Amino acid sequence: DGGITQSPKYLFRKEGQNVTLSCEQNLNHDAMYWYRQDPGQGLRLIYYSQIVNDFQKGDIAEGYSVSREKKESFPLTVTSAQKNPTAFYLCASSMPGLGYEQYFGPGTRLTVT
Amino acid sequence: AQTVTQSQPEMSVQEAETVTLSCTYDTSESDYYLFWYKQPPSRQMILVIRQEAYKQQNATENRFSVNFQKAAKSFSLKISDSQLGDAAMYFCAYRLYFGNEKLTFGTGTRLTIIP
Repeated sequence: DGGITQSPKYLFRKEGQNVTLSCEQNLNHDAMYWYRQDPGQGLRLIYYSQIVNDFQKGDIAEGYSVSREKKESFPLTVTSAQKNPTAFYLCASSMPGLGYEQYFGPGTRLTVT
Repeated sequence: AQTVTQSQPEMSVQEAETVTLSCTYDTSESDYYLFWYKQPPSRQMILVIRQEAYKQQNATENRFSVNFQKAAKSFSLKISDSQLGDAAMYFCAYRLYFGNEKLTFGTGTRLTIIP
């Protein structure tokens, strides 16, 4: 089955620790995205990548980092510099170009205490 | 910058009835896409319907249809014959037709279906 996997579903970390969220897709999509979702807010774009070895900052990139070494994988690292990291994180992918919608993974709930 | 506004944080509808969710957006562009996404309790985002701004005809997908008013920058979602499985958060989203595929989301409307 083609799709996007995010692991783990729930993640707990202590304040001051970096943590990496996994996102893998087997849809052969070129573009991948990371969104953050907070209660009462819509999804906000953290980073996106339209091609391997290239990525751009989204609206709320501070305190986050990404890499795109393989087409299938787009891991997100939440660093200790992120002031309020507790949130629900969604990964998405799409074919670049006109009209292609984004497909979303099941998400990871990160709790930092 | 583009913004998307959903002014109804919560809505409820009787099963089998019709409900309309509102969305307005602000953009200076003329070519763009609009989407409605559904997020059920599982939190998986699911595309419900898509509208291209250059098309005057309103998009329809089974029980879901939109009322796209480009001049008014309004994009409402109508759900007919509401079913229990329609209960979810619904997000309106915008993206440019050209350029990067960044989606800008509204804050969502929580839809409750009353049996």
